[in-house]
Amino acid sequence: DAGVIQSPRHEVTEMGQEVTLRCKPISGHNSLFWYRQTMMRGLELLIYFNNNVPIDDSGMPEDRFSAKMPNASFSTLKIQPSEPRDSAVYFCASSLSTRDNSPLHFGNGTRLTVT
Amino acid sequence: TQLLEQSPQFLSIQEGENLTVYCNSSSVFSSLQWYRQEPGEGPVLLVTVVTGGEVKKLKRLTFQFGDARKDSSLHITAAQPGDTGLYLCAAEGGNKLVFGAGTILRVKS
Repeated sequence: DAGVIQSPRHEVTEMGQEVTLRCKPISGHNSLFWYRQTMMRGLELLIYFNNNVPIDDSGMPEDRFSAKMPNASFSTLKIQPSEPRDSAVYFCASSLSTRDNSPLHFGNGTRLTVT
Repeated sequence: TQLLEQSPQFLSIQEGENLTVYCNSSSVFSSLQWYRQEPGEGPVLLVTVVTGGEVKKLKRLTFQFGDARKDSSLHITAAQPGDTGLYLCAAEGGNKLVFGAGTILRVKS
């Protein structure tokens, strides 16, 4: 089991550029989550999918952020245009279900720096 | 206001010492999870507690869920440098898993 795979590990971009983060969940997991982690705000849930369908995107900061899950093995989080305040570590996680005691399996994150 | 309040925010101790970190809330939860995160990696689940008053042990780590299922503690006996990391508690809030701000633990050799 390769675990949740995220790419790239690091992304440095200039303000205004489009950024796309990628995630491959664990095979067989039905739920996928995108989190953002900063020193100030900790781990924040941005959006989650169940069976490839977005269920709750209330954590997405604004319209510049969008996420897709075209199939069970791939998801993207896009920021367009990016701003310096978007700098953070973005984590993807998957779980077998959205039941409250179903553990999350996290990837190693993408560290995004917007200059 | 955080749904889950963790304390202390930061703890630096010597190898061999014991410590306890706390996760508190005014809400009642059906279950609560503890994760550990090491630098450059994602959080990794340590344990899930489900029953009020439940105690679970994982080697030198002891997890307790409060009787009222509003709070939890993590006790580490004889801490090792390998225990260094960010300890996060998480629970269901508004149909999604919400994390506390975490306790940063540093164990010096």
